[in-house]
Amino acid sequence: GIQVEQSPPDLILQEGANSTLRCNFSDSVNNLQWFHQNPWGQLINLFYIPSGTKQNGRLSATTVATERYSLLYISSSQTTDSGVYFCAARSGTYKYIFGTGTRLKVLA
Amino acid sequence: DTGVSQDPRHKITKRGQNVTFRCDPISEHNRLYWYRQTLGQGPEFLTYFQNEAQLEKSRLLSDRFSAERPKGSFSTLEIQRTEQGDSAMYLCASSLARSGGVNEQFFGPGTRLTVL
Repeated sequence: GIQVEQSPPDLILQEGANSTLRCNFSDSVNNLQWFHQNPWGQLINLFYIPSGTKQNGRLSATTVATERYSLLYISSSQTTDSGVYFCAARSGTYKYIFGTGTRLKVLA
Repeated sequence: DTGVSQDPRHKITKRGQNVTFRCDPISEHNRLYWYRQTLGQGPEFLTYFQNEAQLEKSRLLSDRFSAERPKGSFSTLEIQRTEQGDSAMYLCASSLARSGGVNEQFFGPGTRLTVL
């Protein structure tokens, strides 16, 4: 089945810095989502982005399906951006496969 | 739209006991998923329902696990004869299949299970 890898595994930023999180997948995908998991475990939808580019405030995402990767950009990071970021991809079957996440800590 | 809800939020049980979790999806969503998440890992797929039909099950879902979605509305996940290795966060998600293959999942808050 499809494999999903995320990098970097851990990231520490000073407030106001920008960052790029990467998600590589091993096969073509028909669905791809980015989530932020808050300290209470809730997965919050960031982007549904099987291809193309989307922006939402300080966050944007790009998926290049032909090259099998997706990028999540966080600009002007804030302490509330801390948490774990997951990408999840679906290929062919019904199930989504999650990456192992990027743990982000933003320091004040 | 009240979002996906799960009950209970926390469950502590003794090894060998049975537990049942409930998930109420977003009302118009026809697809429902169960995942399990252990510390430091991403969620792992357990099973998928389209309306009331269970269409896919992970090999992670041993014989002690069973899931139902009667009438295509809420779903239950039961674990029989719990083991310490079952301790995890159990997450439910729902989605509405749309034209063009769009299938965005929305997650509930999860049920955290601790088996003593």
